[in-house]
Amino acid sequence: AQKITQTQPGMFVQEKEAVTLDCTYDTSDPSYGLFWYKQPSSGEMIFLIYQGSYDQQNATEGRYSLNFQKARKSANLVISASQLGDSAMYFCAMREGRDSSYKLIFGSGTRLLVRP
Amino acid sequence: ETGVTQTPRHLVMGMTNKKSLKCEQHLGHNAMYWYKQSAKKPLELMFVYSLEERVENNSVPSRFSPECPNSSHLFLHLHTLQPEDSALYLCASSQGGETWDTQYFGPGTRLTVL
Repeated sequence: AQKITQTQPGMFVQEKEAVTLDCTYDTSDPSYGLFWYKQPSSGEMIFLIYQGSYDQQNATEGRYSLNFQKARKSANLVISASQLGDSAMYFCAMREGRDSSYKLIFGSGTRLLVRP
Repeated sequence: ETGVTQTPRHLVMGMTNKKSLKCEQHLGHNAMYWYKQSAKKPLELMFVYSLEERVENNSVPSRFSPECPNSSHLFLHLHTLQPEDSALYLCASSQGGETWDTQYFGPGTRLTVL
């Protein structure tokens, strides 16, 4: 079974509107971390936001927020007030706590296109 | 500007060539990583080094040989590659191996094997 699932291969959003990118995960480890990265066409993976499994509140970083629903095992990224520069690939990733694993498991990504 | 640099940014090589990719991090981190990103596939972890010691090797063919001389530098030595090795190779670093340790990535080396 896939550990990280991103079901939206591509999405469009109008500039200045909000958009939600879906991510579901699968783990039996009680300790894990969830990350979102942005990858523009230049190739660099840019860290956006982090949510820990024990965090009581949803993470927020500027225009980015993470809608963390632990029981549903979902960690959706919400981008508010979309900008043209938000057009990129977005990856959800998970790190499990067992054996202090260094491994970051990535989903297949969602391509977001912001329309002017 | 993430504090992780990679050279070269683009590389074209023949199947019989030997080349090396270089990664340098300026963040004072203890762990460094090599990832491979092929078209239409999720990022694949190749190698992890923590305090210059290799801690993970995800069944990578021996034609890829990593080297970590110190905690700031990481190399990936390439020899007798195949066309299917063409991909974006990303280097990353993190403070450590805890679940909350964020990995910061470099800009990548886009490799084409002819």
